Amino acid sequence: EDKVVQSPLSLVVHEGDTVTLNCSYEVTNFRSLLWYKQEKKAPTFLFMLTSSGIEKKSGRLSSILDKKELFSILNITATQTGDSAIYLCAAPSNAGGTSYGKLTFGQGTILTVHP
Amino acid sequence: EAGVAQSPRYKIIEKRQSVAFWCNPISGHATLYWYQQILGQGPKLLIQFQNNGVVDDSQLPKDRFSAERLKGVDSTLKIQPAKLEDSAVYLCASRPLAGRSYEQYFGPGTRLTVT
Repeated sequence: EDKVVQSPLSLVVHEGDTVTLNCSYEVTNFRSLLWYKQEKKAPTFLFMLTSSGIEKKSGRLSSILDKKELFSILNITATQTGDSAIYLCAAPSNAGGTSYGKLTFGQGTILTVHP
Repeated sequence: EAGVAQSPRYKIIEKRQSVAFWCNPISGHATLYWYQQILGQGPKLLIQFQNNGVVDDSQLPKDRFSAERLKGVDSTLKIQPAKLEDSAVYLCASRPLAGRSYEQYFGPGTRLTVT
């Protein structure tokens, strides 16, 4: 069974701090890894990573994938209170031979940024 | 482009009652997913449709949950009878058939409380 594990489960920081969120995976026929941000509404897409060692960046957020060690990290620099959210990582699962992109999610990291 | 629409946003019912959720995916998206997200956990796939056919319902508790996607557009998810452990957020997501991105677009979810 495909598995995605995130750590830490929760994190409390102050504005301006830098945080690193971790995601490890065990997925048959691995294709890519996705990061989502979930506030009190729909999860919103952040990054999709397919190649090892290539950093993806969007503003203060960046992410990288290591396909040899089977993990990804999401970095947030100069955190702001608006970064407070649940961060989810997920991998498309081909279990059962389908290729329709069912996502297996980790349990999420709850990030709280205090002023 | 309009996003994924879901209704209702919140629902409170007593155990053994029935409830239905509705989802309207992004126009043209062939694949539709229903996920269950219990507090403190990542979303878990319940059922996946490709147009109006079921691709994966292996984790759907079929004794009480049912779903349909008539005409390959809107979808409804029903629970009958509800149990306390069904309290969760029910997320609908959609994805176009073509393309190499595994990104799924999520609706705002329906928060169900079973008392």
